[in-house]
Amino acid sequence: AQSVAQPEDQVNVAEGNPLTVKCTYSVSGNPYLFWYVQYPNRGLQFLLKYITGDNLVKGSYGFEAEFNKSQTSFHLKKPSALVSDSALYFCAVRDGGNYGQNFVFGPGTRLSVLP
Amino acid sequence: DSGVTQTPKHLITATGQRVTLRCSPRSGDLSVYWYQQSLDQGLQFLIQYYNGEERAKGNILERFSAQQFPDLHSELNLSSLELGDSALYFCASSLGQKETQYFGPGTRLLVL
Repeated sequence: AQSVAQPEDQVNVAEGNPLTVKCTYSVSGNPYLFWYVQYPNRGLQFLLKYITGDNLVKGSYGFEAEFNKSQTSFHLKKPSALVSDSALYFCAVRDGGNYGQNFVFGPGTRLSVLP
Repeated sequence: DSGVTQTPKHLITATGQRVTLRCSPRSGDLSVYWYQQSLDQGLQFLIQYYNGEERAKGNILERFSAQQFPDLHSELNLSSLELGDSALYFCASSLGQKETQYFGPGTRLLVL
């Protein structure tokens, strides 16, 4: 079965500094990996995904993620954090074949960007 | 705005009751997914429908059921509600089977 781990419950970073939110995964076959962000009282918003191709994936709001197959990681990064980036971040892996699918989500990492 | 709509936004009910949550997918999307988000369980996949057919099933209780109608909107029915069913219920949609899922704003259910 597919699984996702986000080893940090909380990440604190100062505004303007680079940020990293960590994700490791366990899948059988090729991984389909996703990052979503959840703001308070809002639904999940799609940030980016890795299906195949370049290991560095660029997404919305200046975020990017680095896929590392040997380390089974898919860390989310941003060169310069904004206070408005403070939110709950979820890593997810697609589970399923050609017939049906679902996403397996990590437990989430709360990012706090301090002014 | 993802284009996925969910109604109602909030629902307060009593134990033992039955409720129906509604989801309209993005225009053109054929797949609909339901998820439950609670503090202790995190985000849990419940069920997926594709063009009216059930395609994948997750941790969905027997007291819960869902369907997708010909116009592609979906309903999640929760019956014999218990306190532990209090959670945020999300609907998501995607074009097909392997595309990105886009999430609605959720329905917050409180069972008293």
